[in-house]
Amino acid sequence: AQSVTQPDIHITVSEGASLELRCNYSYGATPYLFWYVQSPGQGLQLLLKYFSGDTLVQGIKGFEAEFKRSQSSFNLRKPSVHWSDAAEYFCAVVSQGGNKLVFGAGTILRVKS
Amino acid sequence: DAGVTQSPTHLIKTRGQQVTLRCSPKSGHDTVSWYQQALGQGPQFIFQYYEEEERQRGNFPDRFSGHQFPNYSSELNVNALLLGDSALYLCASSLFAGLYNEQFFGPGTRLTVL
Repeated sequence: AQSVTQPDIHITVSEGASLELRCNYSYGATPYLFWYVQSPGQGLQLLLKYFSGDTLVQGIKGFEAEFKRSQSSFNLRKPSVHWSDAAEYFCAVVSQGGNKLVFGAGTILRVKS
Repeated sequence: DAGVTQSPTHLIKTRGQQVTLRCSPKSGHDTVSWYQQALGQGPQFIFQYYEEEERQRGNFPDRFSGHQFPNYSSELNVNALLLGDSALYLCASSLFAGLYNEQFFGPGTRLTVL
């Protein structure tokens, strides 16, 4: 069965510093991967997605992610974090058959000024 | 263009009661999926509806049931509520024939069971 692991429960970075959130997946074939962000009391907003092709994908709000098949990873990065980026971030993979998303447990990002 | 909407926003019930949550998909979408997000966890897939039929189901008991209407909106029903059913319930819409099942999420309904 597909699974997603986000090793970091909490991450704190200073405003203006770079950010990397880790995501590892378990999947038999080429995965379809997503990163979502959830602000308190809000639903999930799609940041970016990987289906195929270029392994470095660009998303909204200045985020990017790199797909590394050899490491089964899809880490999210941002070169300079803003206070408004404080939220919870979820990595997800589409299940085989494509009917459902399998989510990681999430990483809570705190931004200190 | 309205996105995915859900009602109510918050709900408080007691153990043993029944609850109905509602979802209207994004315009043009024909598929609705429901997820349960317990506190501190990622969303867990409950089931998906397309053409008014349940197409796939996650690891949830039969107390969880749903319905999809001809206008593609959907309801999630939970019977015999347990304390453990307290969670944020998220609805997501997509195109069944769409590539890679890109899903758009609503703001959720916060259910508290006392």
